[in-house]
Amino acid sequence: NAGVTQTPKFQVLKTGQSMTLQCAQDMNHNSMYWYRQDPGMGLRLIYYSASEGTTDKGEVPNGYNVSRLNKREFSLRLESAAPSQTSVYFCASSEEGLAGGVRDTQYFGPGTRLTVL
Amino acid sequence: AQTVTQSQPEMSVQEAETVTLSCTYDTSESDYYLFWYKQPPSRQMILVIRQEAYKQQNATENRFSVNFQKAAKSFSLKISDSQLGDAAMYFCAYRGPQGGSEKLVFGKGTKLTVNP
Repeated sequence: NAGVTQTPKFQVLKTGQSMTLQCAQDMNHNSMYWYRQDPGMGLRLIYYSASEGTTDKGEVPNGYNVSRLNKREFSLRLESAAPSQTSVYFCASSEEGLAGGVRDTQYFGPGTRLTVL
Repeated sequence: AQTVTQSQPEMSVQEAETVTLSCTYDTSESDYYLFWYKQPPSRQMILVIRQEAYKQQNATENRFSVNFQKAAKSFSLKISDSQLGDAAMYFCAYRGPQGGSEKLVFGKGTKLTVNP
């Protein structure tokens, strides 16, 4: 049981390049999330997915797209990377989905450190 | 919009002593959830403790306990018998009621140093 896994762990991009961050969870969770963490800040939500086939914008969605490929996988894409997107990106999952319930705790992956030059 | 404030950017404690980290939040909801996460240098976000707002009893997990003051919108974390492995960033987080937004709102964190 690996929990939440993310690839890659580190990435350096040039301005304008594109890339996809991958996230997978093996806990059979319904909900998945993408956050970014900048120095001196807490985590801020980029996008989330309450269930397979649904996605919603979070606090800072501009410049990103997401795909909920299936129940296990939730990817984050940067179409044209900018230096302002230099950050550490975290994926998380929780059991709660559209049906609700008291399964509110989010479990996090190890993060991806992205640098855009 | 809900906000979470951690007023102590840094704290330090001697090994084996007790330290309290502060967190306040703003919400108009009556039912919600509060969390403390630990982030060691490895960057992994680790759940320390959670509290349901409708429960009056303060949550406890081994050496970690909270002081939840709902009227004051305060949610402090107490670490007893501090250990070197407790050194990390600690983030307070808020989540709204069931059936509403599942999003976590985080504070900016408190860096805890444990001195031997």
